[in-house]
Amino acid sequence: QVQLQESGPGLVKPSETLSLTCTVSGGSISSYHWSWIRQPPGKGLEWIGYIYYSGSTNYNPSLKGRVTISVDTSKNQFSLKLTSVTAADTAVYYCARQVGPSSRYHYMNVWGKGTTVTVSS
Amino acid sequence: QSVLTQPPSVSAAPGQKVTISCSGSSSNIGDNYVSWYQQLPGTAPKLLIYENNKRPSGIPDRFSGSKSGTSATLGITGLQTGDEADYYCGTWDSSLSAAWVFGGGTKLAVL
Repeated sequence: QVQLQESGPGLVKPSETLSLTCTVSGGSISSYHWSWIRQPPGKGLEWIGYIYYSGSTNYNPSLKGRVTISVDTSKNQFSLKLTSVTAADTAVYYCARQVGPSSRYHYMNVWGKGTTVTVSS
Repeated sequence: QSVLTQPPSVSAAPGQKVTISCSGSSSNIGDNYVSWYQQLPGTAPKLLIYENNKRPSGIPDRFSGSKSGTSATLGITGLQTGDEADYYCGTWDSSLSAAWVFGGGTKLAVL
């Protein structure tokens, strides 16, 4: 079955750019939306945004301007870049597959295990 | 503050039933389908319910979902200690700032 694996640096300095990659295995990245979600320590889930395999994106308005999600179908990967990070961006970052015939039907049916990113000098 | 409102915690004894509410508005729950996620301690969230009341393969029928107007409810019957987890509702918000939104989460204690 489809599995997702996040990868990237676990420590990022304030004001720098956080970069993570999610590798999709056991299935094709085509025909689905692919999301990033984060969870600060002891807090709830926050949706960051998603990308369709064709490249169209939708971002959380609270992070718009700092977030870029891209896809590389040849590598079956999608990536997250978050600029100008602060301590508030410290979180576990999850990638997930978001499915449904249209946005109003969407749900996340496959999740990665998550990767912890700490923002600190 | 989350767009979707959930109680911070609920509790019940083993074998009993519990419900978790998720309250929203006409632009999110009122207009779109709701899904529910279970997050066991130290693990990634897992899909429990989608399209308001459908269960993915492998999810026992002890878990159920419903929606009425701008609120949704997750029900769990025959509580087990292994059900202790955080539960999140989620849905699309169709307002001008269209985006996916989660509830703040509910911690379930099985006493």
